[in-house]
Amino acid sequence: EAGVAQSPRYKIIEKRQSVAFWCNPISGHATLYWYQQILGQGPKLLIQFQNNGVVDDSQLPKDRFSAERLKGVDSTLKIQPAKLEDSAVYLCASSLVLAGGHEQFFGPGTRLTVL
Amino acid sequence: GENVEQHPSTLSVQEGDSAVIKCTYSDSASNYFPWYKQELGKRPQLIIDIRSNVGEKKDQRIAVTLNKTAKHFSLHITETQPEDSAVYFCAAIFKRPAGGTSYGKLTFGQGTILTVHP
Repeated sequence: EAGVAQSPRYKIIEKRQSVAFWCNPISGHATLYWYQQILGQGPKLLIQFQNNGVVDDSQLPKDRFSAERLKGVDSTLKIQPAKLEDSAVYLCASSLVLAGGHEQFFGPGTRLTVL
Repeated sequence: GENVEQHPSTLSVQEGDSAVIKCTYSDSASNYFPWYKQELGKRPQLIIDIRSNVGEKKDQRIAVTLNKTAKHFSLHITETQPEDSAVYFCAAIFKRPAGGTSYGKLTFGQGTILTVHP
């Protein structure tokens, strides 16, 4: 089966600019996750969708980050305006069900550098 | 709160030796504990997982043990090989309510850099 797809793979921007990342989950996976992975740390959940609804966005910095999954398939994550501390790898993952206890499949990630 | 502590942060072994990585979690209701391997510049990939209804699970050279009372779980790699070199992350599911049901929120440990020397 095809894996989780993400684009772009790399992005370099100046602080205060905006950026958007795209994710296409594995076909049939209802749950989609966006994680932020800062160098040397484990992935941190930013937002979790079940179909097109938000289940958890408690760790999303809502003053600058937004995400949507309008049709319950693809998702976009946006940062506006970016700060230096947003430099990280942004990982998208998907899983079959919401309840947990099921493997999350990760995409290759987008490496963001904010200068 | 949701917390997973992982130790050690770095681990260096000789090829053929065993490696052990330990994690503790904060929520006694957690019931699913996956381990992910992440090679440099690559995506995290699941290598083994364990559910709270069992105490140990093995898959060839890899095993995971779970102590629910103490709220800790460990990854054991035997007969290590250079290709085992990577960052290993433990994680735990934290159950959260959502309407009339619940959802699972995966929280990761800080990672262990494993280096296997030939």
